[in-house]
Amino acid sequence: EDKVVQSPLSLVVHEGDTVTLNCSYEVTNFRSLLWYKQEKKAPTFLFMLTSSGIEKKSGRLSSILDKKELFSILNITATQTGDSAVYLCAAAPQGGSEKLVFGKGTKLTVNP
Amino acid sequence: NAGVTQTPKFQVLKTGQSMTLQCAQDMNHEYMSWYRQDPGMGLRLIHYSVGAGITDQGEVPNGYNVSRSTTEDFPLRLLSAAPSQTSVYFCASSYSGQGGGYTFGSGTRLTVV
Repeated sequence: EDKVVQSPLSLVVHEGDTVTLNCSYEVTNFRSLLWYKQEKKAPTFLFMLTSSGIEKKSGRLSSILDKKELFSILNITATQTGDSAVYLCAAAPQGGSEKLVFGKGTKLTVNP
Repeated sequence: NAGVTQTPKFQVLKTGQSMTLQCAQDMNHEYMSWYRQDPGMGLRLIHYSVGAGITDQGEVPNGYNVSRSTTEDFPLRLLSAAPSQTSVYFCASSYSGQGGGYTFGSGTRLTVV
């Protein structure tokens, strides 16, 4: 059975801290790993990672994939209160991204 | 450009009632999916479609039907609502085979009493 496990499930930090969110996966015929941010409503897309060892960056957020060890990390530097959200990791199998397998998410709270 | 539009935003049903959750996208995306999100369970795939006229089951399809007669629309039908179907439902769409993830609708919060 395909599965994605995220850790920690919950994290509380102070503004300015750096955080690392973890995502491990076991997916048959794995193709890519996706990260989403979910605030009040719909998840919004952050990154899609297909190749090992290539870091993707967007502002203070960055992510990398390790296909040998089957995990990905999402880093957020200099956190702000606006980073408070649930961060979701999803794995996509070969053949298309239509059958994403999601982890349960990491709830990040950034306190002022 | 509205993206992915879901209606209604909220709904309360009685056990045994049926209803249709509507989903429409205006981005000409081939892929569309329905997910449900429950506390502590993450997002779970109900049904998905890779193009008009093509649908398939996801992880939790029981009690739900879908059809895809047009590229734009992908309605989700609850046949006979049960309290276990109380959840937040998200519709999502994406281009096929391209980088980048799904665009999600704003969700429908369904309560079955």
